[in-house]
Amino acid sequence: NAGVTQTPKFQVLKTGQSMTLQCAQDMNHEYMSWYRQDPGMGLRLIHYSVGAGITDQGEVPNGYNVSRSTTEDFPLRLLSAAPSQTSVYFCASSGTGYNEQFFGPGTRLTVL
Amino acid sequence: AQSVAQPEDQVNVAEGNPLTVKCTYSVSGNPYLFWYVQYPNRGLQFLLKYITGDNLVKGSYGFEAEFNKSQTSFHLKKPSALVSDSALYFCAVRLRSGATNKLIFGTGTLLAVQP
Repeated sequence: NAGVTQTPKFQVLKTGQSMTLQCAQDMNHEYMSWYRQDPGMGLRLIHYSVGAGITDQGEVPNGYNVSRSTTEDFPLRLLSAAPSQTSVYFCASSGTGYNEQFFGPGTRLTVL
Repeated sequence: AQSVAQPEDQVNVAEGNPLTVKCTYSVSGNPYLFWYVQYPNRGLQFLLKYITGDNLVKGSYGFEAEFNKSQTSFHLKKPSALVSDSALYFCAVRLRSGATNKLIFGTGTLLAVQP
């Protein structure tokens, strides 16, 4: 199993550009989520999904969109990048109940 | 507001000495509790979790954590630290109610083990 994969690893954008961060998992997990990690703030939940076709907002959803057309994939879209979105983004997945989440390796995004 | 606190930004310990990384939480009900570790430029890795039962939970790499309901704490411990344990450690909670697996994370504690 590859686990949770994320692409790209690094990305530099200019203010106003849009892009999609890709996330895929091969563990047949129902639950997937996106976090951003900023110094001194831990991980904050952006959006999450409890299954294909079902998504919901987390703690910091503004400026981001998600969709979940398949169990495996959960892309995160930045609509119009802003410098405040400079961060490291992690995708995670888990089974139901009290199972731990599995994290991808992260995408380091810089917005100039 | 529901929250997780890791009161120490950094913990320094000498190799071979015991270590403790503190975590307290303020959430409704009795949550599930987790510890994760992050090595430089890597994603988070699961260490251990408390669901129910024995208050002392054993996890990966010789780590253990003690759940204290009255103090709403879940401190991470290891009897003898290794230099390779140096990393960023996160405590997280998940509410028992609801159908989601949403985690609330602490801000992280950097563990530095000196040789």
